[in-house]
This record gives sequence, structure tokens and C-alpha cells, in this order.
Amino acid sequence: GQQVMQIPQYQHVQEGEDFTTYCNSSTTLSNIQWYKQRPGGHPVFLIQLVKSGEVKKQKRLTFQFGEAKKNSSLHITATQTTDVGTYFCASGGTSYGKLTFGQGTILTVHP
Amino acid sequence: NAGVTQTPKFQVLKTGQSMTLQCAQDMNHNSMYWYRQDPGMGLRLIYYSASEGTTDKGEVPNGYNVSRLNKREFSLRLESAAPSQTSVYFCASSTPGPLYFGPGTRLTVT
Repeated sequence: GQQVMQIPQYQHVQEGEDFTTYCNSSTTLSNIQWYKQRPGGHPVFLIQLVKSGEVKKQKRLTFQFGEAKKNSSLHITATQTTDVGTYFCASGGTSYGKLTFGQGTILTVHP
Repeated sequence: NAGVTQTPKFQVLKTGQSMTLQCAQDMNHNSMYWYRQDPGMGLRLIYYSASEGTTDKGEVPNGYNVSRLNKREFSLRLESAAPSQTSVYFCASSTPGPLYFGPGTRLTVT
């Protein structure tokens, strides 16, 4: 499978601060997906990136796929307490569904 | 439309006991998956079924078996539970495409 390393493992921010998590691979990725898991919940799909250099936005969330398709980032502007959770990146091979997940970044937002 | 459902939600087993985790989806998805989640390890694929009638090993298949009963249902069996199998188990489905996860089963093996 396509191995992905995710950093940081933990991030504590004050409400209103920005947050970024990074996903890196030593090999070219066919695609990257991002998921969010609320505490005690299950992962929920956020977005998929496929093209080199692709940037997508969802309200305060910005997702980027690197030009070389070896890295990706998720940036949250002005965090809110509702952003608390674990954010995972995941990448698949020839079958989208057979994903390899990063270790996740646990985000804590202090009000 | 319930999405992906899993039973049971919680289970405690003793070492050596067996059990089956049930999963069903009502989205007419072709592919189904079993993942386990452990702290600091992300989600690791145990088994998957690309389509009805097929199953394949994932990253961590040892100690598990699966059955794709029909297009809707995909079960995971632990024949002889071990403490190392204490984890949260998630079933997921896809067309393929993005994964839709069930609520999870929290399993403790003592």
C-alpha cells in the first residue's frame, strides 16, 4: 500500500488560532482523502484530492495536494470548539476503497 | 436510510473465546471493509471485500476471518480472542470511493 506519515500527532490551540496538519509520503500518491473523527465517533469523509497542486476549500478548511503528489495539508482558519477531533489523511492504490491511513492528528481547541 | 450499522456496540471477551462482529449497509455499495483502530496507530485494514463473493486480506489479517454474506452484510469473526485484539473495530463501505464508516464496536479481551 501507499504509506503516509502524518504530523503533528497532537495539536493544542486556543479558539481563534489557525491549525495545520501535514501528510507526507516517500512515493507518489494516486489520491489523498481527508477524514474527521469526533471524540467517541467514527471517521467521516471530508474531501478527496486527485490532481497535482489541487487546492479545495470548505468554509474555514483548506486542503492542498502537493505538486509532486507526495504531500498534502489541511489548514483550518480561526478554529472553533466544534473543530475538536482527530483528522486523518488516507491514500489508496488502484482501488480507492483500499485506503492506507495516516496516524492522525488530534486537535484540541481551548475556548 | 441507516447507512452502515454494526453490532454489538460494546463487547468484553475472555482470552480464547470467539465472537462475530456484524456489519450491514443499505447504500447498495459494492465494497466493504473492516478496520481496527488503536491509539497512535491510525486505522489499519484487516480484511476487505471488493464485491459480493470476494474477500481479501488487508494489512493485519492474522487472527480474523470474514464472510461476505450478501451485498449488504460483511461479518468479522475472531475464532480465539487474544488481548492484542482489544481495539475499536470499524466497518466501512464504498462504491468504491470515499469510505462510509459504521459507529464501531469497542472490544476488550481480558
